[in-house]
Amino acid sequence: DADVTQTPRNRITKTGKRIMLECSQTKGHDRMYWYRQDPGLGLRLIYYSFDVKDINKGEISDGYSVSRQAQAKFSLSLESAIPNQTALYFCATSPIPGQGRPDTQYFGPGTRLTVL
Amino acid sequence: QKEVEQNSGPLSVPEGAIASLNCTYSDRGSQSFFWYRQYSGKSPELIMFIYSNGDKEDGRFTAQLNKASQYVSLLIRDSQPSDSATYLCAVNGANDYKLSFGAGTTVTVRA
Repeated sequence: DADVTQTPRNRITKTGKRIMLECSQTKGHDRMYWYRQDPGLGLRLIYYSFDVKDINKGEISDGYSVSRQAQAKFSLSLESAIPNQTALYFCATSPIPGQGRPDTQYFGPGTRLTVL
Repeated sequence: QKEVEQNSGPLSVPEGAIASLNCTYSDRGSQSFFWYRQYSGKSPELIMFIYSNGDKEDGRFTAQLNKASQYVSLLIRDSQPSDSATYLCAVNGANDYKLSFGAGTTVTVRA
């Protein structure tokens, strides 16, 4: 079944550690996104990529970096984790025009990250 | 910057009643409007989208859009305990496929 997967699903780490969250998709979508979700704040966009060579900052990119290794893979890195990066992280994908509605996003199951 | 505001919750309704969720947005150029349902600890799931003014019905869900008032709503008829979740309103613009999300409204359906 076409899907969006994220690894790991849960991670506890310490301040200053480097962390990588991975996202893979079998939907064949070109567009991929990383969001974080904090209680009461909804979903906030960290980075997005419209194809392998196109990566853009979202509204809260400071402290994060990304890598688009292939059409199906988009990784999020925290170079030096800090406690206020504790959150639920979601990857999402969307099709390009012609593949479907390009404004319709499909979410992965999320990664719960705790930084101590 | 597109801002999306949702009515603060939590919203508690008895089983069988209508739950009414509201959302306003600041960008008049916004063209597409979405409602996602999110169960606790789970990922958002798209349940409705609407692009034109008026009502759109899908089963027990009705989305209503009024672009002049910059207002979109979601009605859940015959609410069931399984409808207990947080509902996220999302909006994007004409040429901008990024979504802006509201903070969500948590609905609890009392059996």
